[in-house]
Amino acid sequence: AQKITQTQPGMFVQEKEAVTLDCTYDTSDPSYGLFWYKQPSSGEMIFLIYQGSYDQQNATEGRYSLNFQKARKSANLVISASQLGDSAMYFCAMRELGAGGTSYGKLTFGQGTILTVHP
Amino acid sequence: DAGVTQSPTHLIKTRGQQVTLRCSPISGHKSVSWYQQVLGQGPQFIFQYYEKEERGRGNFPDRFSARQFPNYSSELNVNALLLGDSALYLCASSLGLAGGPENEQFFGPGTRLTVL
Repeated sequence: AQKITQTQPGMFVQEKEAVTLDCTYDTSDPSYGLFWYKQPSSGEMIFLIYQGSYDQQNATEGRYSLNFQKARKSANLVISASQLGDSAMYFCAMRELGAGGTSYGKLTFGQGTILTVHP
Repeated sequence: DAGVTQSPTHLIKTRGQQVTLRCSPISGHKSVSWYQQVLGQGPQFIFQYYEKEERGRGNFPDRFSARQFPNYSSELNVNALLLGDSALYLCASSLGLAGGPENEQFFGPGTRLTVL
């Protein structure tokens, strides 16, 4: 069964510094996608970045980058130049793509990491 | 463009009652998924619907049911409510079913259900 583990319940970072949020995963499916979402206190899940299991390069989206180490089954999120608005809950999630790339949409989420950015 | 909308925003029910939550996907999106997020945990997958058919189901009891309408909106029904059903219920829509970023799931703001 697929599983996502986020071992950091909470992280603190100084404004303008970089921070890494850890995520490890477990799957027997060779084809999968990894996602990071941000959830502010309002509750809405905001998509940040995606990494496919066959992607050769680490994904980047603006200040977000994903440190993908396939052999270690880790997909850490790096946020550069932290801003006060980055304070939120962050979730790592995985979707197994299965045969033919049809996954029926199921995302498996980790427990989340609360990030607090200090001024 | 309007994002995913959910109604109601908040709901308070008592044990044993039934509840219906509603979701309208982004225009053009044909797939809707439902997730339950208990306080302090990550969301758990409940259902996915595509073209009005159930295409995925999570590990939830039969008290949970859903449907998708011809306009691709969706309802989640929960019968015989238990205290443990108190959670944020999130709806997500996507263009289709394939698992890559082209079918990224866009989440709504959620419905917060409290069962007393």
